[in-house]
Amino acid sequence: AQKVTQAQTEISVVEKEDVTLDCVYETRDTTYYLFWYKQPPSGELVFLIRRNSFDEQNEISGRYSWNFQKSTSSFNFTITASQVVDSAVYFCALNSGGYQKVTFGIGTKLQVIP
Amino acid sequence: EPEVTQTPSHQVTQMGQEVILRCVPISNHLYFYWYRQILGQKVEFLVSFYNNEISEKSEIFDDQFSVERPDGSNFTLKIRSTKLEDSAMYFCASSTGTSGGAGETQYFGPGTRLLVL
Repeated sequence: AQKVTQAQTEISVVEKEDVTLDCVYETRDTTYYLFWYKQPPSGELVFLIRRNSFDEQNEISGRYSWNFQKSTSSFNFTITASQVVDSAVYFCALNSGGYQKVTFGIGTKLQVIP
Repeated sequence: EPEVTQTPSHQVTQMGQEVILRCVPISNHLYFYWYRQILGQKVEFLVSFYNNEISEKSEIFDDQFSVERPDGSNFTLKIRSTKLEDSAMYFCASSTGTSGGAGETQYFGPGTRLLVL
C-alpha cells in the first residue's frame, strides 16, 4: 500500500522567510518515485520535481530545494526567501509497485504574507 | 512547451445527467490519466489508459464512468448519470510511456470543475 503524509495542513510565513514543507511516505516497494506538485489559486497542478528511490542526492532548483532521506522515509521541500507568488497548495506524491497510479498527500497550503 | 489542455473549464449539470469531459494530452505521450479532487481534499486517481484500453483503475472508477480516445488527439471521461458527490475538479494527465507508465512524470491539465446540482 502507498501512503503519503503531509502533517502541515497550513503554513503562513512572511515574505523572504525560508519555509520547509514536510512529506513522509510509506511503501513496501524498493523501487518508487516521489513527486512534488504545486497548485496555485488558479487550480492547475504544476509539476515541480520527480525523484526515484535510488537517488538520494538532494536537489536545488533556484530557490527550491528538496531533501530526500530514505532512513526517515521523508522527502521535504524547502523554499528559500519565499515570495508572495509561492502562495499555493503543495502536494507530495508517491508512485510505487510498478503501477501507474500516483498517490497524493493531502497537501500543505502555504501562504506568503507580504 | 507542450501542455495538456482540458475543456470545458467549468461545467454545471443536473443530477442524473450525463457529462463528457474532454482532454487533449501532450502529443507524443502514450499514457493518459484521469484524477479528481473534491473541493479541499486530496487528488485521487481514477484511471489510466494506454493503447486504447484501461490499464489501471481505482475503486472510485465504477460503472458510471468510462473513458475513450475517440480520435488521435482527444481523451474523454464520461460520467453516465451524475450524482451530487461527483462534484469535483477533474484533472487529465499524460506521460511519455517510456517506462510503461510506472514512475513517469504525469503532466496535468488545468482541470474541469464539475458542479452537479
